[in-house]
Amino acid sequence: GAVVSQHPSRVICKSGTSVKIECRSLDFQATTMFWYRQFPKKSLMLMATSNEGSKATYEQGVEKDKFLINHASLTLSTLTVTSAHPEDSSFYICSARFLAGANTGELFFGEGSRLTVL
Amino acid sequence: AQSVTQLDSQVPVFEEAPVELRCNYSSSVSVYLFWYVQYPNQGLQLLLKYLSGSTLVKGINGFEAEFNKSQTSFHLRKPSVHISDTAEYFCAVSDGGGGADGLTFGKGTHLIIQP
Repeated sequence: GAVVSQHPSRVICKSGTSVKIECRSLDFQATTMFWYRQFPKKSLMLMATSNEGSKATYEQGVEKDKFLINHASLTLSTLTVTSAHPEDSSFYICSARFLAGANTGELFFGEGSRLTVL
Repeated sequence: AQSVTQLDSQVPVFEEAPVELRCNYSSSVSVYLFWYVQYPNQGLQLLLKYLSGSTLVKGINGFEAEFNKSQTSFHLRKPSVHISDTAEYFCAVSDGGGGADGLTFGKGTHLIIQP
C-alpha cells in the first residue's frame, strides 16, 4: 500500500515555542492531506483539510492561527503548532489521499506524532 | 450527512477465541466502508475495505468483514484472535463524493486479548 511518513514521531517542547510536524507521501502524489488530533482513549478529531497549493480548510473550533498548515507540494504537508501550551499536548496524525482514491475516500495514515508541551 | 456507530468501546476476548466488532453506519447515499487498526502510539493501518462487489471482504491478519446493506452494518470478525491483535479498531465510512471531506470515523473499539 501507499506509504505516508510523519516526522518527528515524538517531540517535547517548552511552553511558548513553536513545533513543526511534517507529513510526506513517499510513493504517490497526495492531492489532499488531512490532519487529525487524537486525545487519550478517544477517536480521531479532524482538524483541517489541506489541498496542495491552496489554503487549508479548518474544522469548526480549530484555531487556524495556532495550527498553521502548509501543503506546498504534492508530497509534503506541514503542521506548525505555534506558541504551544500544555493543553496542545496530544497525538497528531496526518493522512493522505491520492488522486485514484479520491472517489472512494480511502486514506493512508502517517505514524503519528506525540507532542508534549512542558 | 453520514455517521458511524461502534457500540462497543471495549471488547475483552480470550486468546484463540472468535471475535466480532460491530459497526453500523448511516448515509443517504452509497457508501464505501473501511476498518482501520491502531496499535499503541502508532498511526492507523488499513485492515480491509468494501468498495463494491462481494459483500464479504477479507483483509490482513486474518480479519474479514461483511457489508450488510439492509442492516447498514459492516461488522469485523476474526475466527481466532492472538495477543498481537490487541489494539484500537476504527470503522470509517465515505460517501465517495470525491470532495475534500475526510472519512467519518466511529469512536473506536478497544480489543483486549486475554491469555
